[in-house]
Amino acid sequence: GAGVSQSPSNKVTEKGKDVELRCDPISGHTALYWYRQSLGQGLEFLIYFQGNSAPDKSGLPSDRFSAERTGGSVSTLTIQRTQQEDSAVYLCASSLGLLSSYEQYFGPGTRLTVT
Amino acid sequence: DAKTTQPPSMDCAEGRAANLPCNHSTISGNEYVYWYRQIHSQGPQYIIHGLKNNETNEMASLIITEDRKSSTLILPHATLRDTAVYYCIVSLNAGGTSYGKLTFGQGTILTVHP
Repeated sequence: GAGVSQSPSNKVTEKGKDVELRCDPISGHTALYWYRQSLGQGLEFLIYFQGNSAPDKSGLPSDRFSAERTGGSVSTLTIQRTQQEDSAVYLCASSLGLLSSYEQYFGPGTRLTVT
Repeated sequence: DAKTTQPPSMDCAEGRAANLPCNHSTISGNEYVYWYRQIHSQGPQYIIHGLKNNETNEMASLIITEDRKSSTLILPHATLRDTAVYYCIVSLNAGGTSYGKLTFGQGTILTVHP
């Protein structure tokens, strides 16, 4: 079946602009995660959603970052007033639930470049 | 979550077994060991996980020491396509504020050569 998809695959934006990144999880997966990977760095957790529960936003680096998940499916990560340090690959993952034993399936990522 | 330590890089000849070590000396009793890998320009891929017992699946085997302070991921017959960054992660399976969140370190760059 289809895996996790993300769009766009690449995004170049000017400093100060807002961007929206989209994630389509695997159908039936109730948990959805956002991570980011900066050049030469490991993956950094940003936020997760589980069903109708309040999302865990503890990893968001600043209040310029926000995310929503509509209808328990598609999620959008929004970065307002982008800065150069926001340049990274943003990865989305989904799983059957929040238990870590549920394998997280990752999408191909969106490469964001802020000029 | 407990911190893990992995060698930054390893080499392996194609067809031979690749043994990737991971130290997690501060692991607690209810934390699992997970392995993911990331092939260049792709998202991470789950490999295997375990708590106390050794585990095997179609991709790899996971050997966890009796004291659970270290583990080894074994790729029995490495191929060129196994060249990737391998991440050892320790995480709670349920409960607490960290479950479900994977904390990735720097991992081990495994290079499989002909």
